[in-house]
Amino acid sequence: GQQVMQIPQYQHVQEGEDFTTYCNSSTTLSNIQWYKQRPGGHPVFLIQLVKSGEVKKQKRLTFQFGEAKKNSSLHITATQTTDVGTYFCAASKYGNKLVFGAGTILRVKS
Amino acid sequence: DAEITQSPRHKITETGRQVTLACHQTWNHNNMFWYRQDLGHGLRLIHYSYGVHDTNKGEVSDGYSVSRSNTEDLPLTLESAASSQTSVYFCASSSLGEQFFGPGTRLTVL
Repeated sequence: GQQVMQIPQYQHVQEGEDFTTYCNSSTTLSNIQWYKQRPGGHPVFLIQLVKSGEVKKQKRLTFQFGEAKKNSSLHITATQTTDVGTYFCAASKYGNKLVFGAGTILRVKS
Repeated sequence: DAEITQSPRHKITETGRQVTLACHQTWNHNNMFWYRQDLGHGLRLIHYSYGVHDTNKGEVSDGYSVSRSNTEDLPLTLESAASSQTSVYFCASSSLGEQFFGPGTRLTVL
């Protein structure tokens, strides 16, 4: 079945440093979504990317969808302690079914 | 406000017992999903439904079943609980795109 690889598995940064997580698929995707899960919480939707080469920003978060629609990234500028959590990409090839990456756990040292 | 709820929030059971986890949403969404979350695996799809009386198997459906008799509910049943089914279970619903997740049920099978 369809697989989505997400790296790194874990990242520990100093507050103020940047952070990036990457998501890759071997097949072309219809769209990709990103979710954030705080420790002990449930996944919460952040954004959906649909177009080839699309770039979207939410304050300090920048989301990109690759030109071939096979990869995506989430970049956080100047991390804060409130950014702590696990970030998941979730890919859709068709329909409303999503395949989730394994997630990147972000820890921020203050 | 619309919401999605899960019950129980925590459950301890013994191997071989039948267990049912409840999921109820008031978003009036047609699409509902059950995932399990295990460290290193992200969220894996168990079963999903696109409407009343519609159910479909996900990537890890063995040992689980669901039924959809109305729009609001998608209960997940473990026919004969096994220790390998110890996990955190999330229910989600969607209309188009974004999935809304419930708070999760932590299930321990002893």
